[in-house]
Amino acid sequence: GAVVSQHPSWVICKSGTSVKIECRSLDFQATTMFWYRQFPKQSLMLMATSNEGSKATYEQGVEKDKFLINHASLTLSTLTVTSAHPEDSSFYICSAPGPSGYHNEQFFGPGTRLTVL
Amino acid sequence: KQEVTQIPAALSVPEGENLVLNCSFTDSAIYNLQWFRQDPGKGLTSLLLIQSSQREQTSGRLNASLDKSSGRSTLYIAASQPGDSATYLCAVRPMGRDDKIIFGKGTRLHILP
Repeated sequence: GAVVSQHPSWVICKSGTSVKIECRSLDFQATTMFWYRQFPKQSLMLMATSNEGSKATYEQGVEKDKFLINHASLTLSTLTVTSAHPEDSSFYICSAPGPSGYHNEQFFGPGTRLTVL
Repeated sequence: KQEVTQIPAALSVPEGENLVLNCSFTDSAIYNLQWFRQDPGKGLTSLLLIQSSQREQTSGRLNASLDKSSGRSTLYIAASQPGDSATYLCAVRPMGRDDKIIFGKGTRLHILP
Protein backbone atom coordinates (compact mmCIF):
# COMPACT_ATOMS: atom_id res chain seq x y z
CA GLY A 1 0.00 0.00 0.00
CA ALA A 2 0.89 3.66 -0.04
CA VAL A 3 2.96 4.62 2.99
CA VAL A 4 3.76 8.07 4.33
CA SER A 5 6.45 8.53 6.95
CA GLN A 6 7.35 11.45 9.17
CA HIS A 7 10.54 12.30 10.98
CA PRO A 8 11.05 12.90 13.81
CA SER A 9 8.15 11.30 15.65
CA TRP A 10 8.68 13.70 18.53
CA VAL A 11 10.90 16.67 19.25
CA ILE A 12 11.49 18.93 22.22
CA CYS A 13 13.14 22.27 21.65
CA LYS A 14 13.83 25.53 23.40
CA SER A 15 11.83 28.64 22.67
CA GLY A 16 13.31 30.64 19.81
CA THR A 17 14.84 27.73 17.94
CA SER A 18 13.69 26.34 14.60
CA VAL A 19 12.50 22.81 14.04
CA LYS A 20 12.26 20.91 10.76
CA ILE A 21 9.79 18.09 10.23
CA GLU A 22 10.04 15.77 7.23
CA CYS A 23 7.22 14.04 5.41
CA ARG A 24 8.05 11.33 2.89
CA SER A 25 5.98 9.22 0.55
CA LEU A 26 7.84 5.93 0.67
CA ASP A 27 6.59 3.98 -2.31
CA PHE A 28 4.85 6.53 -4.46
CA GLN A 29 5.29 10.03 -5.76
CA ALA A 30 3.28 12.91 -4.41
CA THR A 31 3.16 16.23 -6.21
CA THR A 32 0.95 17.51 -3.42
CA MET A 33 1.18 16.98 0.31
CA PHE A 34 -0.82 18.48 3.13
CA TRP A 35 0.24 19.65 6.57
CA TYR A 36 -2.14 19.59 9.51
CA ARG A 37 -1.88 20.72 13.10
CA GLN A 38 -3.82 19.13 15.94
CA PHE A 39 -4.12 20.57 19.43
CA PRO A 40 -5.08 18.26 22.32
CA LYS A 41 -8.61 16.93 22.01
CA GLN A 42 -9.16 18.94 18.85
CA SER A 43 -9.56 17.82 15.28
CA LEU A 44 -7.03 18.24 12.52
CA MET A 45 -6.72 21.72 11.08
CA LEU A 46 -5.26 22.06 7.61
CA MET A 47 -2.33 24.46 7.68
CA ALA A 48 -1.06 24.39 4.13
CA THR A 49 -0.82 22.56 0.86
CA SER A 50 2.69 21.70 -0.22
CA ASN A 51 3.23 21.75 -3.98
CA GLU A 52 6.25 20.11 -5.57
CA GLY A 53 8.34 22.65 -7.40
CA SER A 54 6.26 25.67 -6.43
CA LYS A 55 5.20 27.71 -3.43
CA ALA A 56 3.00 26.25 -0.75
CA THR A 57 -0.57 27.40 -0.37
CA TYR A 58 -1.41 28.45 3.19
CA GLU A 59 -4.79 28.41 4.85
CA GLN A 60 -6.20 31.60 6.22
CA GLY A 61 -4.62 32.59 9.49
CA VAL A 62 -1.46 30.51 9.08
CA GLU A 63 1.72 32.58 9.08
CA LYS A 64 3.82 31.83 6.02
CA ASP A 65 7.02 33.12 7.58
CA LYS A 66 6.42 31.10 10.71
CA PHE A 67 5.75 27.78 9.03
CA LEU A 68 8.10 27.37 6.10
CA ILE A 69 7.24 24.60 3.67
CA ASN A 70 9.54 23.15 1.06
CA HIS A 71 8.56 20.43 -1.41
CA ALA A 72 11.80 19.92 -3.26
CA SER A 73 11.15 16.44 -4.60
CA LEU A 74 8.26 14.19 -5.50
CA THR A 75 8.67 12.21 -2.29
CA LEU A 76 9.66 14.79 0.32
CA SER A 77 8.02 17.80 1.91
CA THR A 78 9.44 19.61 4.91
CA LEU A 79 7.79 21.89 7.44
CA THR A 80 10.05 24.21 9.40
CA VAL A 81 8.65 25.90 12.45
CA THR A 82 10.77 29.02 12.78
CA SER A 83 11.48 30.73 16.09
CA ALA A 84 9.25 28.26 17.87
CA HIS A 85 7.33 29.33 20.96
CA PRO A 86 5.37 27.28 23.50
CA GLU A 87 2.10 28.04 21.70
CA ASP A 88 3.49 26.18 18.68
CA SER A 89 3.54 22.98 20.70
CA SER A 90 1.21 20.64 18.89
CA PHE A 91 0.87 17.43 16.92
CA TYR A 92 1.79 17.94 13.26
CA ILE A 93 0.57 15.45 10.67
CA CYS A 94 1.17 15.30 6.95
CA SER A 95 -0.77 13.50 4.26
CA ALA A 96 -0.56 12.76 0.57
CA PRO A 97 -3.11 11.62 -1.98
CA GLY A 98 -2.45 8.05 -2.97
CA PRO A 99 -1.29 7.13 -6.46
CA SER A 100 -3.72 6.27 -9.20
CA GLY A 101 -5.58 3.13 -8.33
CA TYR A 102 -6.18 4.23 -4.75
CA HIS A 103 -9.39 6.04 -5.67
CA ASN A 104 -8.51 9.44 -4.26
CA GLU A 105 -7.68 8.05 -0.82
CA GLN A 106 -5.49 10.18 1.44
CA PHE A 107 -2.60 8.56 3.29
CA PHE A 108 -1.38 10.04 6.54
CA GLY A 109 1.96 10.05 8.26
CA PRO A 110 2.21 8.95 11.89
CA GLY A 111 2.59 12.52 13.12
CA THR A 112 5.25 14.54 14.91
CA ARG A 113 4.73 15.81 18.42
CA LEU A 114 6.45 19.13 18.97
CA THR A 115 7.00 20.45 22.47
CA VAL A 116 8.51 23.89 22.83
CA LEU A 117 9.87 24.71 26.27
CA LYS B 1 -18.13 26.16 2.22
CA GLN B 2 -18.07 22.49 3.17
CA GLU B 3 -18.54 21.74 6.86
CA VAL B 4 -18.41 18.35 8.52
CA THR B 5 -20.20 17.66 11.79
CA GLN B 6 -19.95 14.60 13.97
CA ILE B 7 -22.45 13.61 16.59
CA PRO B 8 -22.08 12.75 19.38
CA ALA B 9 -18.84 14.40 20.45
CA ALA B 10 -18.29 11.66 23.02
CA LEU B 11 -19.87 8.30 23.71
CA SER B 12 -19.47 5.67 26.41
CA VAL B 13 -21.08 2.26 25.99
CA PRO B 14 -20.72 -1.11 27.67
CA GLU B 15 -18.68 -3.77 25.94
CA GLY B 16 -20.62 -5.91 23.50
CA GLU B 17 -23.09 -3.29 22.38
CA ASN B 18 -23.60 -2.29 18.78
CA LEU B 19 -23.23 1.43 18.18
CA VAL B 20 -23.58 4.07 15.50
CA LEU B 21 -21.48 7.17 14.97
CA ASN B 22 -22.90 9.93 12.83
CA CYS B 23 -21.31 12.30 10.36
CA SER B 24 -23.02 15.00 8.31
CA PHE B 25 -21.68 17.32 5.65
CA THR B 26 -23.20 20.44 4.14
CA ASP B 27 -22.28 20.08 0.47
CA SER B 28 -23.12 16.84 -1.32
CA ALA B 29 -20.57 17.49 -4.07
CA ILE B 30 -17.89 15.14 -2.79
CA TYR B 31 -15.54 12.60 -4.30
CA ASN B 32 -15.49 10.38 -1.26
CA LEU B 33 -15.85 10.11 2.49
CA GLN B 34 -13.34 8.49 4.77
CA TRP B 35 -13.57 7.25 8.37
CA PHE B 36 -10.43 7.26 10.49
CA ARG B 37 -9.50 6.07 13.93
CA GLN B 38 -7.06 7.94 16.14
CA ASP B 39 -5.67 6.60 19.38
CA PRO B 40 -4.45 9.13 21.99
CA GLY B 41 -1.18 10.71 20.95
CA LYS B 42 -1.06 8.71 17.74
CA GLY B 43 -1.61 9.30 14.04
CA LEU B 44 -4.60 8.38 11.92
CA THR B 45 -5.61 4.91 10.86
CA SER B 46 -7.87 4.76 7.84
CA LEU B 47 -10.84 2.49 8.49
CA LEU B 48 -13.11 2.79 5.48
CA LEU B 49 -13.29 4.85 2.32
CA ILE B 50 -16.61 5.27 0.51
CA GLN B 51 -16.62 6.66 -2.99
CA SER B 52 -19.43 9.05 -3.91
CA SER B 53 -21.00 6.38 -6.12
CA GLN B 54 -21.11 3.82 -3.31
CA ARG B 55 -23.68 3.39 -0.55
CA GLU B 56 -21.65 1.43 1.98
CA GLN B 57 -18.39 -0.27 2.80
CA THR B 58 -17.68 -3.04 5.26
CA SER B 59 -14.56 -4.18 7.05
CA GLY B 60 -14.88 -6.78 9.76
CA ARG B 61 -17.13 -5.42 12.50
CA LEU B 62 -17.28 -2.00 10.86
CA ASN B 63 -19.84 -0.85 8.34
CA ALA B 64 -19.97 2.64 6.93
CA SER B 65 -22.87 3.98 4.93
CA LEU B 66 -23.14 7.05 2.76
CA ASP B 67 -26.24 8.99 1.75
CA LYS B 68 -24.73 11.70 -0.38
CA SER B 69 -27.99 13.43 -1.24
CA SER B 70 -28.82 14.02 2.41
CA GLY B 71 -25.23 14.69 3.40
CA ARG B 72 -24.96 11.90 5.93
CA SER B 73 -22.74 8.98 6.78
CA THR B 74 -22.83 6.53 9.63
CA LEU B 75 -20.19 4.23 11.06
CA TYR B 76 -21.68 1.13 12.60
CA ILE B 77 -19.53 -0.86 15.04
CA ALA B 78 -20.83 -4.29 15.92
CA ALA B 79 -20.12 -6.10 19.17
CA SER B 80 -17.96 -3.32 20.57
CA GLN B 81 -14.75 -4.19 22.43
CA PRO B 82 -12.57 -2.18 24.83
CA GLY B 83 -9.95 -2.04 22.08
CA ASP B 84 -12.37 0.00 19.98
CA SER B 85 -11.92 2.92 22.38
CA ALA B 86 -10.48 5.78 20.35
CA THR B 87 -11.49 8.95 18.56
CA TYR B 88 -13.26 8.38 15.26
CA LEU B 89 -12.91 11.05 12.59
CA CYS B 90 -15.00 11.52 9.50
CA ALA B 91 -13.55 13.39 6.52
CA VAL B 92 -14.88 14.31 3.09
CA ARG B 93 -13.04 15.19 -0.09
CA PRO B 94 -15.02 17.93 -1.82
CA MET B 95 -15.16 18.00 -5.59
CA GLY B 96 -12.73 20.46 -7.00
CA ARG B 97 -9.29 20.78 -8.46
CA ASP B 98 -7.33 20.14 -5.30
CA ASP B 99 -7.03 17.10 -3.05
CA LYS B 100 -7.99 18.76 0.22
CA ILE B 101 -10.11 16.86 2.66
CA ILE B 102 -12.22 18.35 5.42
CA PHE B 103 -12.42 16.74 8.84
CA GLY B 104 -15.13 16.66 11.43
CA LYS B 105 -14.19 17.22 15.05
CA GLY B 106 -14.49 13.54 15.86
CA THR B 107 -16.36 11.31 18.28
CA ARG B 108 -14.45 10.14 21.35
CA LEU B 109 -15.58 6.59 22.00
CA HIS B 110 -15.05 4.76 25.28
CA ILE B 111 -16.04 1.13 25.56
CA LEU B 112 -16.58 0.09 29.15
CA PRO B 113 -15.23 -3.37 30.04
